[in-house]
Amino acid sequence: DAGVTQSPTHLIKTRGQQVTLRCSPISGHKSVSWYQQVLGQGPQFIFQYYEKEERGRGNFPDRFSARQFPNYSSELNVNALLLGDSALYLCASRYADWDYTEAFFGQGTRLTVV
Amino acid sequence: DQQVKQNSPSLSVQEGRISILNCDYTNSMFDYFLWYKKYPAEGPTFLISISSIKDKNEDGRFTVFLNKSAKHLSLHIVPSQPGDSAVYFCAASSGGKLIFGQGTELSVKP
Repeated sequence: DAGVTQSPTHLIKTRGQQVTLRCSPISGHKSVSWYQQVLGQGPQFIFQYYEKEERGRGNFPDRFSARQFPNYSSELNVNALLLGDSALYLCASRYADWDYTEAFFGQGTRLTVV
Repeated sequence: DQQVKQNSPSLSVQEGRISILNCDYTNSMFDYFLWYKKYPAEGPTFLISISSIKDKNEDGRFTVFLNKSAKHLSLHIVPSQPGDSAVYFCAASSGGKLIFGQGTELSVKP
């Protein structure tokens, strides 16, 4: 069984550019969430999508946006990149958006902004 | 406002002994908790979870204890193995999102 897949695995961008990160959830999972992890900290919640609808948004600026497609895959877009956006971006897949379900993570996309 | 806290950034344990990783939370409305293990350059791997209707959940070498009155949970690993060396995160599930602690780096020495 394929787990959560994210692409690309690594990315280097210049300040001011835009980036799109992609995530395919586990087959049968309808909820996808995005997290940002900077070094030395735990992952921070960015967005949650369930059945193609946004169900939650973390404390991130409007430069961050996301969407979920009919096949439940998802994209995270970040505009006007700043040096501080350099981080590991993680996608999590859940069967549903209930609290009592485990979330399974992809390997992440390492974004470096120079 | 850190709602989930892991106050020990690191822990070193001898192989075969018990590892105890601790986690505190502030919001008494949290009622589902999860532990994840993370190796460098990989995403977090789910280990074990517990809901607030229980005070203990066990899966092989891993046991999670929940003390609701103290708003405290702990992960016990017995016996510890060198392959357990990783960063461990506790997380509370709230409104479908996960709120993570800062992580504890466990080092298991042979």
